[in-house]
Amino acid sequence: DTGVSQNPRHKITKRGQNVTFRCDPISEHNRLYWYRQTLGQGPEFLTYFQNEAQLEKSRLLSDRFSAERPKGSFSTLEIQRTEQGDSAMYLCASSLNSGSLDGYTFGSGTRLTVV
Amino acid sequence: AQSVTQPDIHITVSEGASLELRCNYSYGATPYLFWYVQSPGQGLQLLLKYFSGDTLVQGIKGFEAEFKRSQSSFNLRKPSVHWSDAAEYFCAVGARSSYKLIFGSGTRLLVRP
Repeated sequence: DTGVSQNPRHKITKRGQNVTFRCDPISEHNRLYWYRQTLGQGPEFLTYFQNEAQLEKSRLLSDRFSAERPKGSFSTLEIQRTEQGDSAMYLCASSLNSGSLDGYTFGSGTRLTVV
Repeated sequence: AQSVTQPDIHITVSEGASLELRCNYSYGATPYLFWYVQSPGQGLQLLLKYFSGDTLVQGIKGFEAEFKRSQSSFNLRKPSVHWSDAAEYFCAVGARSSYKLIFGSGTRLLVRP
């Protein structure tokens, strides 16, 4: 078990471009979460999957953002038509179904810079 | 509204000195409380958590925290700080029935040699 893996670690993109990030959770974890962390702030919840079903989306997730978790394994987070305000660290976490706050494990994040 | 307040943005301590980082929460349900540490450019590592029982909890790296319901606080302490403890520390709260964590804005710890 290598923990939660996120790729890429860093991404620099021009405003208006689309970007996609990937998260590979701990293999036996069926819950997966995305958080966003802007500079000087704590992480904020974006969305949550149980297996392949996306069960909640935060109001922070505008319609330019889409997340998927095909087959309940890895997840992708896509941002279309990036804006400078999208610059942040995007963190993925996973947990088991029962007692989901126990054993919540974060990845190292993808840092996005929009220029 | 559910929230977590970490009133200290930065704290500087000398190596070997004791440390206390403050955390206050506002949460309607019985809270589950967490402290995480984040080194520059890295993800979050769990230091300790409180779900129930003994209000003084021990964590990794010699950290401990005390849950005080009457003060809605969950302060993190360490008796002797090491230079490697320099990082950002986040307090977070959740509920047993929930899957979301609500984080404070963090406290950056600087350690003087």
